[in-house]
Amino acid sequence: QQQVKQSPQSLIVQKGGISIINCAYENTAFDYFPWYQQFPGKGPALLIAIRPDVSEKKEGRFTISFNKSAKQFSLHIMDSQPGDSATYFCAASIMGNQFYFGTGTSLTVIP
Amino acid sequence: DADVTQTPRNRITKTGKRIMLECSQTKGHDRMYWYRQDPGLGLRLIYYSFDVKDINKGEISDGYSVSRQAQAKFSLSLESAIPNQTALYFCASRGSLNTEAFFGQGTRLTVV
Repeated sequence: QQQVKQSPQSLIVQKGGISIINCAYENTAFDYFPWYQQFPGKGPALLIAIRPDVSEKKEGRFTISFNKSAKQFSLHIMDSQPGDSATYFCAASIMGNQFYFGTGTSLTVIP
Repeated sequence: DADVTQTPRNRITKTGKRIMLECSQTKGHDRMYWYRQDPGLGLRLIYYSFDVKDINKGEISDGYSVSRQAQAKFSLSLESAIPNQTALYFCASRGSLNTEAFFGQGTRLTVV
């Protein structure tokens, strides 16, 4: 059973547009929600993360929106650039234990 | 040098062969993980270890085994490789007081 459900599987956005990736979870014990970015041939790397006590976190062009009641969180990439083209994974963990990852979203930003 | 190093980066092996994938980290982390990545399935946890004497099965441990030789080293073995174990394998480490996990570059394994 998938602990974290991610959509869409793939996304194509024009340069300058907004990319939005959504994730949903069921386990209310999750206390840490990171987003990882993976380029071809590389391992995933932490992009941005949030804890459930806040509803939004912004770092540069990247924002996580968190809806605790709906058990959903999303990644927004503002002013998307071709260099943002990568695979994005949402994840969740409990008390610093193992991560449960979503299935990934392949983002392509067209110049 | 990379914080988490995996060897080999690529490997082709035959069905039935035993193979070991190695991972070492220089972060001083106590927690280490092995994940498998398949298209459309994301990253799935195979095994994880919170210290040298602690080994735990993940969601897809069947057909795999691990060894934590030292705090910095965590190896994954396929005792008898089969074609559906063809995948991209990632090792990761994380400190007990830290939230971020650091991943290696991955090992692309092909079983023919």
